[in-house]
Amino acid sequence: DTEVTQTPKHLVMGMTNKKSLKCEQHMGHRAMYWYKQKAKKPPELMFVYSYEKLSINESVPSRFSPECPNSSLLNLHLHALQPEDSALYLCASSLGGAGYEQYFGPGTRLTVT
Amino acid sequence: GQQVMQIPQYQHVQEGEDFTTYCNSSTTLSNIQWYKQRPGGHPVFLIQLVKSGEVKKQKRLTFQFGEAKKNSSLHITATQTTDVGTYFCAGPWMKTSYDKVIFGPGTSLSVIP
Repeated sequence: DTEVTQTPKHLVMGMTNKKSLKCEQHMGHRAMYWYKQKAKKPPELMFVYSYEKLSINESVPSRFSPECPNSSLLNLHLHALQPEDSALYLCASSLGGAGYEQYFGPGTRLTVT
Repeated sequence: GQQVMQIPQYQHVQEGEDFTTYCNSSTTLSNIQWYKQRPGGHPVFLIQLVKSGEVKKQKRLTFQFGEAKKNSSLHITATQTTDVGTYFCAGPWMKTSYDKVIFGPGTSLSVIP
């Protein structure tokens, strides 16, 4: 199974809402990633978890809060977002390190109103 | 700082024509990866190159890694409509962490039937 799943596929939320994005992989990968992608732009790294520990935070605003409950799951908690946070949020996993290919999930299309 | 650039940004070709995208890094890379993202889709890993001067083929796609390991190219022979999408190269971020990959801005390919 080489699939990364993400839920929900689409999300519309107000600026005062709290919501969570979920990501799951069952490939035994030790690294999991959150990316933000705007239209016609490359994926922009937000967070990396390695062995369930946060290893990279790309100076992401605190209104985005990642969580890795176990080696297969990755969450992104959202609170008090801004309209400019509207984007495609991609989860990815890899065996670990920049020397391994990343498997991306289908993404969550987020709209902040 | 470290940069990964790609040219061209956009390419429109007639079906059956060849296509090439070029990737250039400001620093020497230990490896380079290529991903394809279809419109409305998510990035999908195509290939990884590791050795200086390496050439790999996947059917109509030919990938090259430069001798200095600072540039790479993807060549598609006789394009088909199924080749439509954005092609990203990606290399390891050398400065802070083993886990981070930096994506080039991508080349968007349109194929006119």
